[in-house]
Amino acid sequence: AQKVTQAQTEISVVEKEDVTLDCVYETRDTTYYLFWYKQPPSGELVFLIRRNSFDEQNEISGRYSWNFQKSTSSFNFTITASQVVDSAVYFCALRSEETSGSRLTFGEGTQLTVNP
Amino acid sequence: DAGVTQSPTHLIKTRGQQVTLRCSPISGHKSVSWYQQVLGQGPQFIFQYYEKEERGRGNFPDRFSARQFPNYSSELNVNALLLGDSALYLCASSIRTSGSSSDTQYFGPGTRLTVL
Repeated sequence: AQKVTQAQTEISVVEKEDVTLDCVYETRDTTYYLFWYKQPPSGELVFLIRRNSFDEQNEISGRYSWNFQKSTSSFNFTITASQVVDSAVYFCALRSEETSGSRLTFGEGTQLTVNP
Repeated sequence: DAGVTQSPTHLIKTRGQQVTLRCSPISGHKSVSWYQQVLGQGPQFIFQYYEKEERGRGNFPDRFSARQFPNYSSELNVNALLLGDSALYLCASSIRTSGSSSDTQYFGPGTRLTVL
């Protein structure tokens, strides 16, 4: 079975602080894909990153960085120098084609609030 | 280019009624997926269609049905509405259902359904 766990339900930080959102996943497949989406109050899920199971390189995009570690089944997301506009719910998602085709399995989300 | 569009934005129905939600994918995308997001939870997979054929179905009752048209737009139908069907219904499109980054799902703004 596929499962994604985001243990942090809510995080509150002050602007310019760094913040890390945790994601732990479970799958028996050897080939799988991991995603992060951002959901602002408007409701639309905004795609942030896609990572396949064969690529454990960390990735940096501006203030965003992702740390993928297969050994701990984790795919954590760090925002450096957070800004008020980063306030949103962030979802980690898993796709394992062997077991569940193209469907995405989402975690419960982490509500990030960045205070000025 | 326009993103995924959904209509209507909001909808209020009473128990027992039927509802149809509509989705237009990003131009060039041939796959459409539907997700249900109950308040405070992550999205749950309902259906995926590719080239007008159903490619996957989540754990939802037969009251839920969908179809995809030749222009790749899609409709989600829910019959005999229950209070528990109140949720944000998200549509996502992708170029294909697998292969490189072509399977990345891009989401629309959603339709918020309230069942009274």
